[in-house]
Amino acid sequence: GNSVTQMEGPVTLSEEAFLTINCTYTATGYPSLFWYVQYPGEGLQLLLKATKADDKGSNKGFEATYRKETTSFHLEKGSVQVSDSAVYFCALSDQDNQGGKLIFGQGTELSVKP
Amino acid sequence: DAGVTQSPTHLIKTRGQQVTLRCSPKSGHDTVSWYQQALGQGPQFIFQYYEEEERQRGNFPDRFSGHQFPNYSSELNVNALLLGDSALYLCASSFDSVYNSPLHFGNGTRLTVT
Repeated sequence: GNSVTQMEGPVTLSEEAFLTINCTYTATGYPSLFWYVQYPGEGLQLLLKATKADDKGSNKGFEATYRKETTSFHLEKGSVQVSDSAVYFCALSDQDNQGGKLIFGQGTELSVKP
Repeated sequence: DAGVTQSPTHLIKTRGQQVTLRCSPKSGHDTVSWYQQALGQGPQFIFQYYEEEERQRGNFPDRFSGHQFPNYSSELNVNALLLGDSALYLCASSFDSVYNSPLHFGNGTRLTVT
């Protein structure tokens, strides 16, 4: 079945450091890929998405490129801020999905220190 | 514009009891999905409701049931509670007519089963 694997956390960085959170997936066909962020005490918010191979999603300085050849969707940011501290989830939606069923990775906690 | 609202925010129940969680979707959304998020894990899809019918279901037992009302709000019911049902329950809404319409999540209901 479809699945998503993320690098384990927690990840601790200093402010202005470069961030990479790895995400790989297993799926048949052509899934859509997403990154969601969960701030403490809140629900998940969509950070970015990509719906086909080689698409790059971007938002708030974060980027991720849909790499079908390596089945990956790694999240990157050039310079993190303390306010980026949160849990990040990679997710996929298979090609036949109406959009409600997402398969999530286990999440990666990011802590950014001043 | 109100986002997705869930009630209650916290709930404590005893094993064997039954619980009902409630969700109001974001204005203009007609599809509601429910997720279970165990501590330190990614959300797992329970089911999705559209036009007052269960349209998709994840790998959850029949103890988990739901309902959608004509105003698109939804309830999640869990019978015969087990300790393992302790989790954050997230509701997400979307607009069905848009393929891969982004999910908007509520802040969740924290259920503790003792």
